[in-house]
Amino acid sequence: AQRVTQPEKLLSVFKGAPVELKCNYSYSGSPELFWYVQYSRQRLQLLLRHISRESIKGFTADLNKGETSFHLKKPFAQEEDSAMYYCALSVGTNAGKSTFGDGTTLTVKP
Amino acid sequence: DVKVTQSSRYLVKRTGEKVFLECVQDMDHENMFWYRQDPGLGLRLIYFSYDVKMKEKGDIPEGYSVSREKKERFSLILESASTNQTSMYLCASSGTVISEKLFFGSGTQLSVL
Repeated sequence: AQRVTQPEKLLSVFKGAPVELKCNYSYSGSPELFWYVQYSRQRLQLLLRHISRESIKGFTADLNKGETSFHLKKPFAQEEDSAMYYCALSVGTNAGKSTFGDGTTLTVKP
Repeated sequence: DVKVTQSSRYLVKRTGEKVFLECVQDMDHENMFWYRQDPGLGLRLIYFSYDVKMKEKGDIPEGYSVSREKKERFSLILESASTNQTSMYLCASSGTVISEKLFFGSGTQLSVL
C-alpha cells in the first residue's frame, strides 16, 4: 500500500526567507504526486502537480524517484503563503483516489 | 466556476442518530469521494464512487455507508452516529484523466454529542 509522509506538522519562517515543505512517499510503481493547499476559511485546492512541472505562486516541486520525495519549495516566502499544505499521491488508471500526508501548517511571519 | 457543494457547513447531532451528509457537483465528474479531515491525521478516505450506483470502501469505511443514485450527487450516511465521528467531512470529485486533480467542497463540520 502507498504511504505519504510529511515529517513537519508545523513550519515557521520569516517573510522573504526560503521555505521547503518536505514530502516523502512509498509506492512501488510510478506515482502521480500533488500538493494541495488550504488557506484560512477556504476550501482545499490544488497547488501543483508533478506531471505539469509548473510553478504556481512561486512554488515548485520536483519529483525525486531515487529519494522518493516531492518537496515543495519557494525561494522567498510571503505572508499570504501561510496555510495548511498537504502532499498527496494518486495511483491507478482511475485518477483521484489519493493518499494524503498528515499536512504541514506553514506560518510566514512578518 | 466549477463547484462541489456540501449541503451543510455545520451540523450537530446526538449519539445514535442517523446522519446524512449531501454532496453535489456540477462538473459531470465520474469520480466522487468522501474524506474526513482530522488535525494531525491529514485526510483519510472513507468511501469513493466511480459511477452511478457504484461504491468502493476507502481506508476507514467502518460506521459509514454511501449512496450514489445520480451522477452529480454522492451522500455519506452515518447509520448510528458516535462521538468518534466528530470531524470535518470533505467531499471531492474528479474526472478520469490520469493525474486529474480533486475538486473539494467547503466541508461539513460534524459534532456528535
